Amino acid sequence: EAQVTQNPRYLITVTGKKLTVTCSQNMNHEYMSWYRQDPGLGLRQIYYSMNVEVTDKGDVPEGYKVSRKEKRNFPLILESPSPNQTSLYFCASRPSGSYYEQYFGPGTRLTVT
Amino acid sequence: ILNVEQSPQSLHVQEGDSTNFTCSFPSSNFYALHWYRWETAKSPEALFVMTLNGDEKKKGRISATLNTKEGYSYLYIKGSQPEDSATYLCAQGESGGYQKVTFGTGTKLQVIP
Repeated sequence: EAQVTQNPRYLITVTGKKLTVTCSQNMNHEYMSWYRQDPGLGLRQIYYSMNVEVTDKGDVPEGYKVSRKEKRNFPLILESPSPNQTSLYFCASRPSGSYYEQYFGPGTRLTVT
Repeated sequence: ILNVEQSPQSLHVQEGDSTNFTCSFPSSNFYALHWYRWETAKSPEALFVMTLNGDEKKKGRISATLNTKEGYSYLYIKGSQPEDSATYLCAQGESGGYQKVTFGTGTKLQVIP
């Protein structure tokens, strides 16, 4: 089954404790992206990757890191989480080209206290 | 940062009513316009993608139109049903190397039985 998986689905952590949210897709998509969703603000892009070893900042990259060592994986790293990073996070993938629909993972609900 | 706007933010309709909402987007760098349906506790799923001025797409009772010259798209739902209750997102895909896709904040539809 074609899918995007994320782990964990829910996470409660404390300020400053490094964490990683994993994302994996099995559709051989070149393009992968991370979004955060906050009430009233819609989906905002954090980072994206157009292919292996090619990543770039989206609209709200501060406080986040990513890596793309393999085509299928695109982890999101919070080196020192803060309460303003409490949010719902989605990973998405698609073939190369903004014409193509994005396939979204199930979401990760993160709470930073 | 592109400004993709959707209106209204939310609406309630009675079962059986038809409804429509608007997505407006800047015409610069336009390449594609996407509509997604996002049910509560699920991930966004693609409905339509349109690229040409005057494009119309239809899926069952849901249809969409595109006007790239004036920068807007309409989503129509005919004979709304409770299962249509969801947030409807539009997203503009840009031309050029970055392949950026910018989402609007969505229209939340509640269909009352």
